[in-house]
Amino acid sequence: KQEVTQIPAALSVPEGENLVLNCSFTDSAIYNLQWFRQDPGKGLTSLLLIQSSQREQTSGRLNASLDKSSGRSTLYIAASQPGDSATYLCAVLTDSWGKLQFGAGTQVVVTP
Amino acid sequence: DGGITQSPKYLFRKEGQNVTLSCEQNLNHDAMYWYRQDPGQGLRLIYYSQIVNDFQKGDIAEGYSVSREKKESFPLTVTSAQKNPTAFYLCASTLSGQGLHEQFFGPGTRLTVL
Repeated sequence: KQEVTQIPAALSVPEGENLVLNCSFTDSAIYNLQWFRQDPGKGLTSLLLIQSSQREQTSGRLNASLDKSSGRSTLYIAASQPGDSATYLCAVLTDSWGKLQFGAGTQVVVTP
Repeated sequence: DGGITQSPKYLFRKEGQNVTLSCEQNLNHDAMYWYRQDPGQGLRLIYYSQIVNDFQKGDIAEGYSVSREKKESFPLTVTSAQKNPTAFYLCASTLSGQGLHEQFFGPGTRLTVL
């Protein structure tokens, strides 16, 4: 069974520092990987979607890489801001039915 | 504005009651999903539907039921058989379940058992 792990569970950085968030998965047979942001008590906001055939995806200050063979993805957030404080979740799509398998998330605090 | 709406935002249930959570989308998405989120845990799939009048069980379907009578609506009923229903419930949708498209999420419903 696919297992998705996000380490660390929590992270605190000073404003301006680059953020590096890690996601690992046990089965490399995935369709895609999606990164989400969740603010307290809110739903999930999709940040980036990387197809299994892609190595990376970029949107503004966000860059996500995917290494299927090693079962890893990394989300980079450049020049962090206090507004980036949130929980970041990664999820892998394991079949064509659209069933996502989620990690538990990394809670990020960016201090001014 | 296109999006996914969930209602109510907060819901309180007494022991032995069934309650229904609403999920509506106007994105013309084919596939819809229900997830449950517990504190400090990732989301777990309850039910999903690829097409009207068809749905499948996810990883934790026991104690829940769904219907898909319209493309834009996918209500979730939490029955009295669900022993620990207190959680945050999230509905999602995607253009198709073919693995090519992002899943988009609603704002969630927080269910508390009194």
